[in-house]
Parts: sequence; structure tokens; C-alpha cells
Amino acid sequence: RKEVEQDPGPFNVPEGATVAFNCTYSNSASQSFFWYRQDCRKEPKLLMSVYSSGNEDGRFTAQLNRASQYISLLIRDSKLSDSATYLCVVNPDSNYQLIWGAGTKLIIKP
Amino acid sequence: SAVISQKPSRDICQRGTSLTIQCQVDSQVTMMFWYRQQPGQSLTLIATANQGSEATYESGFVIDKFPISRPNLTFSTLTVSNMSPEDSSIYLCSVETGLSTEAFFGQGTRLTVV
Repeated sequence: RKEVEQDPGPFNVPEGATVAFNCTYSNSASQSFFWYRQDCRKEPKLLMSVYSSGNEDGRFTAQLNRASQYISLLIRDSKLSDSATYLCVVNPDSNYQLIWGAGTKLIIKP
Repeated sequence: SAVISQKPSRDICQRGTSLTIQCQVDSQVTMMFWYRQQPGQSLTLIATANQGSEATYESGFVIDKFPISRPNLTFSTLTVSNMSPEDSSIYLCSVETGLSTEAFFGQGTRLTVV
């Protein structure tokens, strides 16, 4: 079983729709969780951290379920500019080494 | 945050040769990492670059193939040695400042081995 698993893509979604990504992790002792965004031919950049209580940043909502070892990202009112690959990232302990999911490619269609 | 300059941005190399990739950070950082990202795949950690000591390599990666230097807290190099077409990939330098666990990346080096 992979340490971090994400929904396979690509997701083809019409502009304005709501889209949700899921991610599961294998290490129950994992400390920190993140969603990164990677545009085509660009480096990954932090989209948002994921907190235990869930957190929202504009159109983006991230949630963490420690019992099920599950992370989600919800994008509301999707824009063409949201087209990218979304990477689920887990920090399994305090040694700064991040474990990266394979990413889910999102394509927003006009 | 941290601003990272990674060079070269791309290169096409002959098999059997070596390429050294440089990563320069605008501030002193605790942790520096080198990743490989093959087309359509996620990031695979090659090694953690340790300042003043040998890098810590992940399973499947060895020092002879990917020698790494880190002479100070702002600079590191990764060499891809004796290249073969299988080494064609994007190589990314990443840092964590220690103030948070956010990872910052260089722009990547797109390597093609012919």
C-alpha cells in the first residue's frame, strides 16, 4: 500500500462546478498535512495546510479525518485558472521529510 | 518564505556524461532536499543534503550516481553521473526554513539524456 494515495485523474470539470479530491495516508502517527498545487511544467507550491478542525481559504476547503486517515480538498465555483495537478502531502513525523501523493490532475473546461 | 534559484533550467546531455545542478537560496535554511519527478508522476525524494556532512540517500539512490554537495546553509549541488536515458526527468531542489514545514521549490531542471 502506498504511503499517500490520491484519487486517480484527470478530473474534467465544467467551469463553476464544485470538485472534491480525496487522499488517504497509511501512517496513523502522521503530524502534518498539506495540499500543494503544481501547474504544468512548474514547481509545486503550497496551496494550503490542513488542520484538524478543517480550514477554508476562499473557494477552497480542506478537511482532515484522523480516524479514517483521510484528507480532502473541496474547490467551489471552479475557475479555468484552477486547472493544475493537486498534490496531497503528509509529514509522517517531525523530521521534515514530506511524503508526496502521485497527484490528481484537474482540468476545468469553459 | 524562501526564494530559490536553480540552474540550469533545462539541458540535453549525451549518455555517459554528468550534469551538475545548482540550487541557491536567498536565506539560510535548515533543510535542503533533492527530488526527481518523472513525467506524469509525483515527486520522489533522492536525498537530504546535509550541511558539512554526507547527504542522506533514499532507497534506490546512491552517492556514486547522485553525488550531492552542501558547503553552507544557502547552497547545494546535485550531480547526475554517467547518465543514461532513464535519468531523463525533472530534478527539483526543495528547502524548508525551519519556521514552518512548508516546502519551497526551485524552478526545476528538465534533463533529457540522448
